[in-house]
Amino acid sequence: DADVTQTPRNRITKTGKRIMLECSQTKGHDRMYWYRQDPGLGLRLIYYSFDVKDINKGEISDGYSVSRQAQAKFSLSLESAIPNQTALYFCATSDRTAGTDTQYFGPGTRLTVL
Amino acid sequence: DQQVKQNSPSLSVQEGRISILNCDYTNSMFDYFLWYKKYPAEGPTFLISISSIKDKNEDGRFTVFLNKSAKHLSLHIVPSQPGDSAVYFCAAGDSGAGSYQLTFGKGTKLSVIP
Repeated sequence: DADVTQTPRNRITKTGKRIMLECSQTKGHDRMYWYRQDPGLGLRLIYYSFDVKDINKGEISDGYSVSRQAQAKFSLSLESAIPNQTALYFCATSDRTAGTDTQYFGPGTRLTVL
Repeated sequence: DQQVKQNSPSLSVQEGRISILNCDYTNSMFDYFLWYKKYPAEGPTFLISISSIKDKNEDGRFTVFLNKSAKHLSLHIVPSQPGDSAVYFCAAGDSGAGSYQLTFGKGTKLSVIP
């Protein structure tokens, strides 16, 4: 079984709809992240969480919100989806070790906003 | 302002030869660096990392070199195999910032030709 899972894997929705993307992990990591990937732009951080009570905005948080329901679950919401939120969304987790903070990614959700 | 740059969007290499992927950074506070590999329809997979106290780290066919004075790192794959064909992302972090955020480059698509 995958350590980091994301649901749904693909979603097509319309402008103005509310969308929730879910992420679960079995790695036991305390830190979780949401990224989006756009063609030619690499990965950009949306939100990150160090534990259930600690939520932080990333580089591009406008138009998004998150919820850390438990240590293992981190959800990303688009309150009113717009076409330029069409992208690949990745959840990641990490457990800081000496010297590096290696992040482990889920398989991604492809979101299309029409 | 792009703090992590991968200036080559793509690279083609013959099977068995060496692949060299390059990455430059501008933030002198970055003190650890990671390489990720990404196949289509999958999430990025951690490949290898290096902290700023080292100038080389090796793991099997993969070696990362860090030149702090030039703010440059490179990933060497020897010998290259067709299964190495993927997009490679360079990422950097600042362990002193306390935020554990990674900044990613835009990626380099490696094609290994049989």
